[in-house]
Amino acid sequence: EAGVVQSPRYKIIEKKQPVAFWCNPISGHNTLYWYRQNLGQGPELLIRYENEEAVDDSQLPKDRFSAERLKGVDSTLKIQPAELGDSAVYLCASSRTGSTEAFFGQGTRLTVV
Amino acid sequence: AQSVSQHNHHVILSEAASLELGCNYSYGGTVNLFWYVQYPGQHLQLLLKYFSGDPLVKGIKGFEAEFIKSKFSFNLRKPSVQWSDTAEYFCAVKTSYDKVIFGPGTSLSVIP
Repeated sequence: EAGVVQSPRYKIIEKKQPVAFWCNPISGHNTLYWYRQNLGQGPELLIRYENEEAVDDSQLPKDRFSAERLKGVDSTLKIQPAELGDSAVYLCASSRTGSTEAFFGQGTRLTVV
Repeated sequence: AQSVSQHNHHVILSEAASLELGCNYSYGGTVNLFWYVQYPGQHLQLLLKYFSGDPLVKGIKGFEAEFIKSKFSFNLRKPSVQWSDTAEYFCAVKTSYDKVIFGPGTSLSVIP
């Protein structure tokens, strides 16, 4: 089966600019996660969806970050405006509802200059 | 607050050496435990997981981990490492609130 697909793989933007990341989860996976991984650290959850509903967005900086999963399949994570500290790898993962195993995409490496 | 700590930031071993990577978590409730691996240039992959039952779990590529509830630990082991095991290893804990918390990772370098 195809894995979790993310795009773009790399993105370089100037601070204060907007940026968006896209994720297509594994077919049939109702749960979708967005994580941020800073250099030298483990992934940190930003938001978790069950179908189109965001069930945990407690770690999402809502002043500048937003996410959507309108049809309960693919998802977009947006930052507007980006700050230097947003430079990180943004990971998307998906799993079947109730499953404890999540499958990760290759991530989008964001560099804000 | 729940957290996961990993004992070593960077480990360097020669091929055939034994490996043990430490992981401790702070959460008093029921947990599921995971070790993920990230090979250079690749995505995170699940190595092994613990839900319940036998506290010694075996994963892919000869890895195993032991859950010691009294110590809040889930250490990863492999009796003989290979150069191809060079990667970043992440311990993760899933709490009863369905929240998955990752440790900071341990970078393993295996020297041929």
